[in-house]
Parts: sequence; structure tokens; C-alpha cells
Amino acid sequence: GENVEQHPSTLSVQEGDSAVIKCTYSDSASNYFPWYKQELGKGPQLIIDIRSNVGEKKDQRIAVTLNKTAKHFSLHITETQPEDSAVYFCAARLYLYGGSQGNLIFGKGTKLSVKP
Amino acid sequence: KAGVTQTPRYLIKTRGQQVTLSCSPISGHRSVSWYQQTPGQGLQFLFEYFSETQRNKGNFPGRFSGRQFSNSRSEMNVSTLELGDSALYLCASSLQGALDEQYFGPGTRLTVT
Repeated sequence: GENVEQHPSTLSVQEGDSAVIKCTYSDSASNYFPWYKQELGKGPQLIIDIRSNVGEKKDQRIAVTLNKTAKHFSLHITETQPEDSAVYFCAARLYLYGGSQGNLIFGKGTKLSVKP
Repeated sequence: KAGVTQTPRYLIKTRGQQVTLSCSPISGHRSVSWYQQTPGQGLQFLFEYFSETQRNKGNFPGRFSGRQFSNSRSEMNVSTLELGDSALYLCASSLQGALDEQYFGPGTRLTVT
């Protein structure tokens, strides 16, 4: 089955710096890669996603890149702010024929701390 | 548009008891998935429901079950609770599945004593 590895497990940056989180996946049939932000006491919040037919996607300070050949994808946060502090999860999803949504396989998470 | 809601938010149960958790998806969403989140295992998929039918299932014992109603609301049930079932149970909804984004609720924190 699919396996997703996420690095680093913790990341500490100064406010204004950039943060990069990397994930690798094992199944080349995976075609959808979302990133979630989870704050304490809350459920994961979808912040950006990318599909296998796209190499890069940006949304303001957040960008995601996908390298299908190497089977890895990354989250880039620029000009980090204290409110970016949270746990970030990457995930991968297989497309199952017949319309069924393959379940998301999550990485173990990265705890990002942005120091003011 | 209201987000995914889950009730109750917190629950304390004793070993051997059973528990039912409820999830109301975003209006118009027909697919509901359930996940278990623990510090050791992370986020793990339990099952997905679409049009009142279980469409996909993860690797959890039969003590974990679920159902979906005609209004897309879903419930999950855990019977004969074990200490290891203590976790945050998350519900996620999407329009139809397949290629749609999943949006999570706040979760139900279950503690088994």
C-alpha cells in the first residue's frame, strides 16, 4: 500500500524566514496531494493541494511543488509569521476506479514554530 | 456555509462500553470519511461512506463500524472499548469523493479509562 514519509518532524524558524517541509510517497498511482494545518484543539485545515498533472501551485505565501519522477512533494511557506505555528501534515491519495475516493494516507506531521 | 460539525466534542468512557459519534458534513457534500488520530500512529483512515453505502474501509477491527443517513449525516460506533481506542476521531466531508477536496471537522476527543 501507499506510504508517506514527512521531514522534518520539527522545524523552528525566525519570523520572516522561509520554511520548507518535504514528503515522499511510494505508490506512483497516487494522484492527489493535499497539505493540512492543524492547530491545537482543532481539526486539520486544508491549506493547499496539488494534483499529479501539475508541477507547482501557489497561494499567496504558500506554495507546493510536486516531482512525480522522484515521488516527492514539498510545502514552502515564505515570510513566516507567528500565526503559521502549527502542525502541518502532507497526504497522498490513490485514485480508485469506479468513482470511489481512495483514502488519504498522511505523513506523521511537522511541528512548525515561528519565533517572533 | 457551515463547516463540518461533530458531536460530542469530548467523551469519557470505560473499557468494555460502546460509543457513538456523530458527524454532519458540509451542506451538499455526500461523501463522509472517518479518521483516527493518535500521537503514536498519526492519522489513520477508518472508513468512507457515500450515498448511505460504505465505499472504502481501512484496517481496523470489526468493533469499529459506521453508517450514513439519507441526509448524508454519518455516525461511527465503537463497541467493547479498549484503552487503545483513546484518540481524536475526525470526520471529513467532500462533494462526491474521487477527485474532491476533503474538509475536516474539529473532531471528537474520546478517552477510555
